[in-house]
Amino acid sequence: DSGVTQTPKHLITATGQRVTLRCSPRSGDLSVYWYQQSLDQGLQFLIQYYNGEERAKGNILERFSAQQFPDLHSELNLSSLELGDSALYFCASTQGGGGYTFGSGTRLTVV
Amino acid sequence: DAKTTQPPSMDCAEGRAANLPCNHSTISGNEYVYWYRQIHSQGPQYIIHGLKNNETNEMASLIITEDRKSSTLILPHATLRDTAVYYCIVRIQGGSEKLVFGKGTKLTVNP
Repeated sequence: DSGVTQTPKHLITATGQRVTLRCSPRSGDLSVYWYQQSLDQGLQFLIQYYNGEERAKGNILERFSAQQFPDLHSELNLSSLELGDSALYFCASTQGGGGYTFGSGTRLTVV
Repeated sequence: DAKTTQPPSMDCAEGRAANLPCNHSTISGNEYVYWYRQIHSQGPQYIIHGLKNNETNEMASLIITEDRKSSTLILPHATLRDTAVYYCIVRIQGGSEKLVFGKGTKLTVNP
């Protein structure tokens, strides 16, 4: 257990639907990062939050949004889902010092 | 874009040392070299990081050349469980800068 909790582990949904992925960072970590990894692709940075505020944006589609709540957990919302959105979605957290801690990911399958 | 260059794949015999190279010729003076690995479909795992001195921990050793333009991650006694994609990343320590992943090196440890 890395200390970063992601739920659900697996999600199967239909095209056009909306889903919410949840991430609880490691205790004490203020920064949360979301990454997308499509089949046989690298890890693509989506978005970062720090203590409730958006800090940086990467290649995140307009159909996707995220937020970080006062208790520091974060949610990634994916809407109008397409087949190409099928991927592993990882959350990571850090206190800002050394290494980042990743969760075990959510595998999203859009059918 | 990633600031590092790694071979796409390497093989290693079980029990032997695995030496994974990384080129980072444009590294800045305040950037550290980080290594992560991703075992199939799991979240990336932090291995080690360093600035200019060689570093060792329970997982691996990191050798950084004197000019800091390249480094080598050494797994002293590779096991089958070390089969993974290894990522070399350069970033400033501290703060909350996102990790930028390249394609990494797929290390296969053979029995």
